[in-house]
Amino acid sequence: EAGVAQSPRYKIIEKRQSVAFWCNPISGHATLYWYQQILGQGPKLLIQFQNNGVVDDSQLPKDRFSAERLKGVDSTLKIQPAKLEDSAVYLCASSPWDIFGGLFFGSGTQLSVL
Amino acid sequence: AQSVTQLDSQVPVFEEAPVELRCNYSSSVSVYLFWYVQYPNQGLQLLLKYLSGSTLVKGINGFEAEFNKSQTSFHLRKPSVHISDTAEYFCAVSDLYGGATNKLIFGTGTLLAVQP
Repeated sequence: EAGVAQSPRYKIIEKRQSVAFWCNPISGHATLYWYQQILGQGPKLLIQFQNNGVVDDSQLPKDRFSAERLKGVDSTLKIQPAKLEDSAVYLCASSPWDIFGGLFFGSGTQLSVL
Repeated sequence: AQSVTQLDSQVPVFEEAPVELRCNYSSSVSVYLFWYVQYPNQGLQLLLKYLSGSTLVKGINGFEAEFNKSQTSFHLRKPSVHISDTAEYFCAVSDLYGGATNKLIFGTGTLLAVQP
């Protein structure tokens, strides 16, 4: 089966610009996760969707980050405006329903904010 | 709230030597535990998990981990490492309850550097 697809692979922007990341989960997976992985740290959950509803967005900086999952399939994460501290790898993951069978991760989008 | 501590940021080891990567967690409730591996420029891949039952869990690529409730630990071990095991290893915890709303809390990771 095809894995979790993410694009772009790399993105370089200047601070205060906007950027968007795209994720297509494994077919049939109900749950989709966006993680932020800053260099030297473990992944931090930004937002979790169950189908097209938000389950947890408690750590999403809502003044600048937004995410949507239309039709319960692919998802877009947006940052507007970007700050220097947003430089990180943004990982998308999916699971059939809950976390206990394991999360399937994409290769991530590496964002550099200059 | 749960938390995970991986005290070793980097573990150098020679090829064919045994290795142990340490993971300790804190939680006020029962937990599920996971180890993930991240190869350079790739996403995370599940190595193994403890949900219930036997405290010794075997995973892919010859890795195993032992759940120790009294010491709140879930250390990862491999009896003989290969160059290809060089990667970042993350321990993660989730509490037992919540069902579909459960989320994983990751540690800061341990870089396993296998030298020839």
